[in-house]
Amino acid sequence: EAEVAQSPRYKITEKSQAVAFWCDPISGHATLYWYRQILGQGPELLVQFQDESVVDDSQLPKDRFSAERLKGVDSTLKIQPAELGDSAMYLCASSFGPEYNEQFFGPGTRLTVL
Amino acid sequence: GQQLNQSPQSMFIQEGEDVSMNCTSSSIFNTWLWYKQDPGEGPVLLIALYKAGELTSNGRLTAQFGITRKDSFLNISASIPSDVGIYFCAGQSYNQGGKLIFGQGTELSVKP
Repeated sequence: EAEVAQSPRYKITEKSQAVAFWCDPISGHATLYWYRQILGQGPELLVQFQDESVVDDSQLPKDRFSAERLKGVDSTLKIQPAELGDSAMYLCASSFGPEYNEQFFGPGTRLTVL
Repeated sequence: GQQLNQSPQSMFIQEGEDVSMNCTSSSIFNTWLWYKQDPGEGPVLLIALYKAGELTSNGRLTAQFGITRKDSFLNISASIPSDVGIYFCAGQSYNQGGKLIFGQGTELSVKP
């Protein structure tokens, strides 16, 4: 069964350090999403890619967060420097395209910033 | 950020009972999705709804797209222990670029 892959599953870091998360979407899915989920809340969109292009990054804190999808397949989300408030679950999702509304999520990366 | 109003926040039920939860929004959505999330895992898609009034089933789960396009409902019949988890509704509207807006979740506990 096709799945969205994410790594690492867990990451503990100290504030001011840099962290990076990786996502490999379901094969053939052109649209890739990064969400952040704070404990007790629903996921919130950080950035959306269509192939290698950013479609929506309006909620991405661009002073410290960056995301790329260079070849339009896998993607990396980076935080530099990490802050205490960045502790959350970072979820990657993919869909066939923006008009295909069914988004499938990976297992997530649980980030703890100390 | 913008979120949907999902209720109830939590439910404690006996195995075998039916469950109902709902989601409301102040704005219209073109698509409603329902997800289940287990602790430490990503959300798993349960049901997708695309038309106002649509009623869709997936096993013991049934969801409806409200006529006003501002709400959706999820029912679980004859609950079992593995139904435990957090259920999220998510709405999508074309004038927001297609991104999903999530509710706060309903935490379901099932007592055997």
